[in-house]
Amino acid sequence: GAVVSQHPSRVICKSGTSVKIECRSLDFQATTMFWYRQFPKQSLMLMATSNEGSKATYEQGVEKDKFLINHASLTLSTLTVTSAHPEDSSFYICSISGAGGPADTQYFGPGTRLTVL
Amino acid sequence: QQQVKQSPQSLIVQKGGISIINCAYENTAFDYFPWYQQFPGKGPALLIAIRPDVSEKKEGRFTISFNKSAKQFSLHIMDSQPGDSATYFCAASGDAGNMLTFGGGTRLMVKP
Repeated sequence: GAVVSQHPSRVICKSGTSVKIECRSLDFQATTMFWYRQFPKQSLMLMATSNEGSKATYEQGVEKDKFLINHASLTLSTLTVTSAHPEDSSFYICSISGAGGPADTQYFGPGTRLTVL
Repeated sequence: QQQVKQSPQSLIVQKGGISIINCAYENTAFDYFPWYQQFPGKGPALLIAIRPDVSEKKEGRFTISFNKSAKQFSLHIMDSQPGDSATYFCAASGDAGNMLTFGGGTRLMVKP
């Protein structure tokens, strides 16, 4: 399967600051990237879907002005958590599809643990 | 509304035993059913997947059984090992742009 990296793997920040998380597809050109949030002992919650060169589609209840997504190329998508607050602390995971296998197969990154103090 | 229901939430199996995790879905437009394995602090890894045109798929110790009429599918882990201890998620897609709908997850513990 495809190899997906995320950076940073964990970040601790103060309340009110912004944090950028990068998601890279290392060996495939990803037509679509997804961003998920996962709270402890819970399932993955889809936040948004982004296609290269177009605006992201956000799920209901996800603030697009707070979670900025940029999918500038077929190998890079970024998620910026703006004015982070403690309730934004979570495990953020990206995934890619269109990576050479079945179109609906998603390959996930290793995740980024965000802690907002 | 949760469209994919997964059970049990947690499962304890002895080494060498069979682990069985079940999922049920509602949306008949779903046509792709993957299972993911997730270790603590890591992203989910694709384990095995099935489409509705077959009733069973086996890869090594992992088997998916699929019942289209009942809208159910299950993961069987044969000869379970302590290294299989992880959280398993079933998922489904097919109705909208490759989006996956996940089950709630099953925390599996395999005792030595």
